[in-house]
Amino acid sequence: SQKIEQNSEALNIQEGKTATLTCNYTNYSPAYLQWYRQDPGRGPVFLLLIRENEKEKRKERLKVTFDTTLKQSLFHITASQPADSATYLCAGAGYALNFGKGTSLLVTP
Amino acid sequence: EAQVTQNPRYLITVTGKKLTVTCSQNMNHEYMSWYRQDPGLGLRQIYYSMNVEVTDKGDVPEGYKVSRKEKRNFPLILESPSPNQTSLYFCASSTPSRTHNEQFFGPGTRLTVL
Repeated sequence: SQKIEQNSEALNIQEGKTATLTCNYTNYSPAYLQWYRQDPGRGPVFLLLIRENEKEKRKERLKVTFDTTLKQSLFHITASQPADSATYLCAGAGYALNFGKGTSLLVTP
Repeated sequence: EAQVTQNPRYLITVTGKKLTVTCSQNMNHEYMSWYRQDPGLGLRQIYYSMNVEVTDKGDVPEGYKVSRKEKRNFPLILESPSPNQTSLYFCASSTPSRTHNEQFFGPGTRLTVL
């Protein structure tokens, strides 16, 4: 079955560092990957979309890459801040939008 | 303000008592869907609707019903809730593409079935 896999372990980093989150996909080739931010008890909020023919996309402090050879997307937050602490979801466009389970990011001062 | 609203936000009920969770969007979106989110399982799609009077099953439709009589509303119906339907539910909407466009999510409905 089509799968989106994200590192289930929480990522703890220090303020000011770059956070890098990984999203791997298996058993299909999504035409798009989307990234969402989710705060506890709240709905996911869209951050970025990257197409399979785009290697990289940026939005302010966010950068997403799409490597079709490795079947992987990396999500970077540069100059991280405590306010960036949240769970980040990756979603792949197949027959439906398949969500990963998310990676929790904690940025400490 | 563009938004997706859900009601109620919190609900505690008992097994077998029919309930409806409402979802409404003010963005004139054609596509709407329902997800449930459970620890360790992530977001799973229950039902979706491509437009008025057009609905289809997602990954986990058992025990749920939906209807789409108006473009802005997409209620989720649990005719005989069971404890395994205890979950956090999200409604989402987007412009017409199931997968290629930004999904706007509602604030969530936390349902407990005793």
